[in-house]
Amino acid sequence: DAGVTQSPTHLIKTRGQQVTLRCSPISGHKSVSWYQQVLGQGPQFIFQYYEKEERGRGNFPDRFSARQFPNYSSELNVNALLLGDSALYLCASGGTGVATNEKLFFGSGTQLSVL
Amino acid sequence: AQSVTQPDIHITVSEGASLELRCNYSYGATPYLFWYVQSPGQGLQLLLKYFSGDTLVQGIKGFEAEFKRSQSSFNLRKPSVHWSDAAEYFCAVAPWGANNLFFGTGTRLTVIP
Repeated sequence: DAGVTQSPTHLIKTRGQQVTLRCSPISGHKSVSWYQQVLGQGPQFIFQYYEKEERGRGNFPDRFSARQFPNYSSELNVNALLLGDSALYLCASGGTGVATNEKLFFGSGTQLSVL
Repeated sequence: AQSVTQPDIHITVSEGASLELRCNYSYGATPYLFWYVQSPGQGLQLLLKYFSGDTLVQGIKGFEAEFKRSQSSFNLRKPSVHWSDAAEYFCAVAPWGANNLFFGTGTRLTVIP
């Protein structure tokens, strides 16, 4: 079975642009979470979606948004990119229940560089 | 507010030596506790987790961790390190009932022959 897949793997954008990152969870998993990992730091929680509804949001500005589709895949959008948005963006697939932090399966991430 | 402290930024051990990575957390109640490992260019892989019960938890790849409530610690151990264990290790906590994890800043492990 395929694990969590994220696309693209690398992305270069300039300040002020918009970016869309994509994630496909493990088959059968209904929850997707997004994390931002800045170089030298641990991942920081951005969003959790379960059954297409937002179930949690971290301390990120409104420039960050996400959605989950009927097939449980998800997109993370970031508008008006800043240099500080440069990071590894991780998607995590979390099982079939809403309380899915028991075991998260992480993708390899999308490395975003903002110039 | 929840916080996770990993006081060691970088640790170097010889192959075959024992390992202990430290983790302290700050939270009003006992949260769920996790250790993840991240190899270069890879996502995070769960090593082990603690929810309740026995305070010594066994994980994958020969790792174990011990929860000490009195010290708010959840240290990761391995009796004999292999070269393939070189990676970044993250301790994480999840408040009970929450759906997100709070990660520490990580400890980079280097293994020398």
